[in-house]
Amino acid sequence: NAGVTQTPKFQVLKTGQSMTLQCAQDMNHNSMYWYRQDPGMGLRLIYYSASEGTTDKGEVPNGYNVSRLNKREFSLRLESAAPSQTSVYFCASSDRVLGNTEAFFGQGTRLTVV
Amino acid sequence: TQLLEQSPQFLSIQEGENLTVYCNSSSVFSSLQWYRQEPGEGPVLLVTVVTGGEVKKLKRLTFQFGDARKDSSLHITAAQPGDTGLYLCAGEWDTGTASKLTFGTGTRLQVTL
Repeated sequence: NAGVTQTPKFQVLKTGQSMTLQCAQDMNHNSMYWYRQDPGMGLRLIYYSASEGTTDKGEVPNGYNVSRLNKREFSLRLESAAPSQTSVYFCASSDRVLGNTEAFFGQGTRLTVV
Repeated sequence: TQLLEQSPQFLSIQEGENLTVYCNSSSVFSSLQWYRQEPGEGPVLLVTVVTGGEVKKLKRLTFQFGDARKDSSLHITAAQPGDTGLYLCAGEWDTGTASKLTFGTGTRLQVTL
């Protein structure tokens, strides 16, 4: 029972390089999310997808793009990485049950931009 | 943007002590959730409170949702080293097509022997 799987677990990029973070869930959830976690700032929502084929911006979308490839997969792309994007990135999924929406998280991707 | 502020940010206590963590917002939420995060892992749900004034107990942990559904508290009785971790509150709100979670800033708890 894998839950939410993120790849890679660690990545170091040079400023200006691009990369895609992959996320897949096997719980048949409709909604998927990308968060970033920085010290002292909790988790901030970058993008979310309410269902296959739809994506919406969260609190901090600048510098990122996303693709909801199918119901299982939701990828996050950094087109031109910047040091300010050094962070731990978490993918999550949930089913929309208002008042009882539990988010299931992956183990995170630790990204360093130098 | 719905903001959630947690206090304190850091808490270091000895085994057996009691503690309370607070989560405050100016926004009303559909529900308030508490998550716990271990190093190198994603957050894991502890509890969801839905009704204003609701109190839920999970062994030594007591969660309360404020009457106005804007704030919440987590009280731990007789803390143990196994309680060490990052505690995050999250407010749920509905966009019409999705339920979104806004997370608090987190409280890092360390319990020593």
